[in-house]
Amino acid sequence: QKEVEQNSGPLSVPEGAIASLNCTYSDRVSQSFFWYRQYSGKSPELIMSIYSNGDKEDGRFTAQLNKASQYVSLLIRDSQPSDSATYLCAVGFQKLVFGTGTRLLVSP
Amino acid sequence: GAVVSQHPSWVICKSGTSVKIECRSLDFQATTMFWYRQFPKQSLMLMATSNEGSKATYEQGVEKDKFLINHASLTLSTLTVTSAHPEDSSFYICSAPKTTGQGVAPLHFGNGTRLTVT
Repeated sequence: QKEVEQNSGPLSVPEGAIASLNCTYSDRVSQSFFWYRQYSGKSPELIMSIYSNGDKEDGRFTAQLNKASQYVSLLIRDSQPSDSATYLCAVGFQKLVFGTGTRLLVSP
Repeated sequence: GAVVSQHPSWVICKSGTSVKIECRSLDFQATTMFWYRQFPKQSLMLMATSNEGSKATYEQGVEKDKFLINHASLTLSTLTVTSAHPEDSSFYICSAPKTTGQGVAPLHFGNGTRLTVT
């Protein structure tokens, strides 16, 4: 059974701080990793994808992948109240396995 | 802009009736699409994989005769909830993989359909 684990949160950070979201996965042969943001009542939106070990930066977002530790994380710099949402980690190729999501709350 | 279009956004129907939900890939072809369901405060649950030109593949516990999937073209998949009951009320979301220039294909989601069965 392939699994993706996330802390459900909520993770509370003040505006302007760095939010760190973590995810572990069980399938060692996984090659593709994604972070989705889901606002309440809305569908998931792809915000980051990462395929090789190391860091990948896109604006305020940085995804980090460590395949040896089976660990992927998402850093959000200069967090804004509009970043408040549930962040879903997903692993796989096309047919993704999703984590249960981490709820992020950014307070003004 | 939107990559995957889904309609309707919301629908209310009476118990025993059927509801059809459409999912279209915009400006790209999708031989495979995925249908998810999400209950309040829960994560996404994959219901089935829609395959263009062949039968859909259903996940364990999902009734194929109740959730009919048709993938008649490379840009359109439909999900029909037959003989809907109140317990089918949920948020249904379709997705399609879109290949990038690097040869990978992340999933893009439609806006979802909120189904309420009265």
